[in-house]
Amino acid sequence: EIVLTQSPGTLSLSPGERATLSCRASQSVSSSYLAWYQQKPGQAPRLLIYGASSRATGIPDRFSGSGSGTDFTLTISRLEPEDFAVYYCQQYGSSPRETFGQGTKVEIK
Amino acid sequence: QITLKESGPTLVKPTQTLTLTCTFSGFSLSTSGVGVGWIRQPPGKALEWLALIYWNDDKRYSPSLKSRLTITKDTSKNQVVLTMTNMDPVDTATYYCAHRLGYCTGGVCFPFDYWGQGTLVTVSS
Repeated sequence: EIVLTQSPGTLSLSPGERATLSCRASQSVSSSYLAWYQQKPGQAPRLLIYGASSRATGIPDRFSGSGSGTDFTLTISRLEPEDFAVYYCQQYGSSPRETFGQGTKVEIK
Repeated sequence: QITLKESGPTLVKPTQTLTLTCTFSGFSLSTSGVGVGWIRQPPGKALEWLALIYWNDDKRYSPSLKSRLTITKDTSKNQVVLTMTNMDPVDTATYYCAHRLGYCTGGVCFPFDYWGQGTLVTVSS
């Protein structure tokens, strides 16, 4: 099973700042089948990024993904108030052994 | 417009069997490639992948929970049902169903792109 480790656990930033979230895999993620989701309290996860770097439909371009192999990054170029949430990475190329990271909380400083 | 909604009991007793239904609209599970999966999230914790069923009745289960899970579909009703046997308090979680656009084939795989709102299931005597 591929273990995804996200860091940091919590990121305290102000609106307008840049957020950089990391997702490290215990082994190579096939063909960059790495997704990022945003989850707000009481809501379902929302797909932001798939294939490591492709934005899902309707996702603002301040969200970007990068990386390959075992190291992946989600960057939010300028935080908007609605971006404060928990972010999860997921590897989905090894069904049924798909896994999620433990999440990074982006909170208002 | 794709929507999914989970339904089922909010409280089950230990050792009981949980049955959850995902009712969806905006797509058909008879369309080639389409899948519906289940994911759960204990309160304050991370997401856990449980099971997935494809249009062709191909079923995938989390290896750690495989012995307890069964996933089925009713294409005519636009529903997917997940059963989990021998429930325990550690299974207390919000259970989500989600849509997958296609099969992992030819070097192309798909994430879960649409999710239901989730349903909280508490396991307690």
